[in-house]
Amino acid sequence: AQSVTQLDSQVPVFEEAPVELRCNYSSSVSVYLFWYVQYPNQGLQLLLKYLSGSTLVKGINGFEAEFNKSQTSFHLRKPSVHISDTAEYFCAVKGSSNTGKLIFGQGTTLQVKP
Amino acid sequence: DAGVIQSPRHEVTEMGQEVTLRCKPISGHDYLFWYRQTMMRGLELLIYFNNNVPIDDSGMPEDRFSAKMPNASFSTLKIQPSEPRDSAVYFCASSLGGLVAEQYFGPGTRLTVT
Repeated sequence: AQSVTQLDSQVPVFEEAPVELRCNYSSSVSVYLFWYVQYPNQGLQLLLKYLSGSTLVKGINGFEAEFNKSQTSFHLRKPSVHISDTAEYFCAVKGSSNTGKLIFGQGTTLQVKP
Repeated sequence: DAGVIQSPRHEVTEMGQEVTLRCKPISGHDYLFWYRQTMMRGLELLIYFNNNVPIDDSGMPEDRFSAKMPNASFSTLKIQPSEPRDSAVYFCASSLGGLVAEQYFGPGTRLTVT
């Protein structure tokens, strides 16, 4: 079975600073990995996903993530954050079989301060 | 497209009452998911459908919960009888083409059971 751990429940950061949101997963099989963002009072929106190929994945809004198989991590980064990036971010994992569901982490609240 | 539509957006009901949540997926999408989000348990998948057929309902908490998808454009999640611990935000999401495809989330229904 897969599981996801988001190591930080809250990350405060100043505007224009870089940020990294950490995600580790556990799985005995190959996985697919995702980052979703949830703005206040809204549903989740896909930021980026890793299915195969290059381990550096670029997503929307200037975010990117790097798949590290040896460390079983999929950390999300942005070199310079904006106030509008304030939201909750979810890492998710799915096994590579044709069945099975997406397993979400507990979420990390990114709070960008002016 | 209008995106995934959920109704009602807010529901307040008394313990023991029946609650029905509704979802209209994006036209043409072949997968539909029901999630529940709480502070304690995070985001949990309750059930998902493929081509209107329930595929995995292992996340449904107990027999008080039931979900149907009578056609490709409509799904319901019913709780009967409702209990205070069912208070949560319930999301519907849809996707096209598989379990690793991007899931498009609705705005959610905030359920409060008193």
